[in-house]
Amino acid sequence: DVKVTQSSRYLVKRTGEKVFLECVQDMDHENMFWYRQDPGLGLRLIYFSYDVKMKEKGDIPEGYSVSREKKERFSLILESASTNQTSMYLCASIENGYLSYEQYFGPGTRLTVT
Amino acid sequence: AQKITQTQPGMFVQEKEAVTLDCTYDTSDPSYGLFWYKQPSSGEMIFLIYQGSYDQQNATEGRYSLNFQKARKSANLVISASQLGDSAMYFCAMREGHINFGNEKLTFGTGTRLTIIP
Repeated sequence: DVKVTQSSRYLVKRTGEKVFLECVQDMDHENMFWYRQDPGLGLRLIYFSYDVKMKEKGDIPEGYSVSREKKERFSLILESASTNQTSMYLCASIENGYLSYEQYFGPGTRLTVT
Repeated sequence: AQKITQTQPGMFVQEKEAVTLDCTYDTSDPSYGLFWYKQPSSGEMIFLIYQGSYDQQNATEGRYSLNFQKARKSANLVISASQLGDSAMYFCAMREGHINFGNEKLTFGTGTRLTIIP
């Protein structure tokens, strides 16, 4: 069974703090993704990575950065958290290949910035 | 323009009835894939069903089927014989381009909250 884990289910941070959200997958998937989910907006892609040290901007990268030093781990970084980054953050992974199409999601991290 | 449109923010359906969740999409790429995910109140995203743009048959997975109408650019999810456990948020999503390196990212709709009434 594919497992995607996220470091925290709930996180409360103060405005201006540096925040790290960690995601780990155990199935040797090449591709990893960070989404944020907001009511009425669905899931929006922040960043994705298709290999170690590779990253691509998604639809809403402003205010975020990412790091992928190891294949199994993809970190989302909020350099200076702001209240408008209060949201649910979901990590996902998928392997390369013609037959794989299902993205596997982690349980999500609900971040509150006060 | 929205790439994925789900026009039903919420739906209430009697238990055991069939339910159709609407999804329309917009792409000029001839190769694409359409997905439905379920998100219960616990928050995890559960993959339900996939339809490729070149698939001739509508996809089915147990009680789930995808009503794929290519000319109308619609990919509605049909749940037969609804159960209380079907109450959840449902998201339609699309992947554009061939499945290969760099084309795995998904675009999601805004979701439909389905509530099954006993």
